[in-house]
Amino acid sequence: DAGITQSPRHKVTETGTPVTLRCHQTENHRYMYWYRQDPGHGLRLIHYSYGVKDTDKGEVSDGYSVSRSKTEDFLLTLESATSSQTSVYFCATSTGTGDYGYTFGSGTRLTVV
Amino acid sequence: AQSVTQLGSHVSVSEGALVLLRCNYSSSVPPYLFWYVQYPNQGLQLLLKYTSAATLVKGINGFEAEFKKSETSFHLTKPSAHMSDAAEYFCAVSLPSGTYKYIFGTGTRLKVLA
Repeated sequence: DAGITQSPRHKVTETGTPVTLRCHQTENHRYMYWYRQDPGHGLRLIHYSYGVKDTDKGEVSDGYSVSRSKTEDFLLTLESATSSQTSVYFCATSTGTGDYGYTFGSGTRLTVV
Repeated sequence: AQSVTQLGSHVSVSEGALVLLRCNYSSSVPPYLFWYVQYPNQGLQLLLKYTSAATLVKGINGFEAEFKKSETSFHLTKPSAHMSDAAEYFCAVSLPSGTYKYIFGTGTRLKVLA
């Protein structure tokens, strides 16, 4: 049973449409994160959550929103997709102690056309 | 604020040769440091981490890294490269306390030549 499941794995969508990506964890970790990965930029934090209904912005949060109604689920919504949001999106979880590190999902490849 | 710099976005080595991937950090306090590996079309996996115990850290797949405070470095090494080591490697840093976010470097893609 995979610790972190991201869905969908691949998606193509049109500019201007809303898109929701899902992250589901069985780790029972308090903290959850959404990153985007782009060539030359490494991983950049979009939003994170430190508990149910507790979320905060990362460094590239414009155009994205998140929700966490259950410990195990963290949703990322692109409110109106743009071509600049074409990327690979990773969900990660952590216990919240600095020495733990992250557990990552397998990623969602999103293409906005 | 803490930051991470990975020198060299692409590194090529011959099979059997030494692998050296460089990571320098900036932090006002002793950090926790991590190396992750990403194989094609996969998420990132933890290779090893430094959490203020031994300065020489051994990880999976024969990799190790040494924390050098005087040089603010945490370089990743492996004595003998294998074809299966071809991947992208990321260094990351977090602060020891009161934190829940990690700062990642921009990654180094390792190519292993036959």
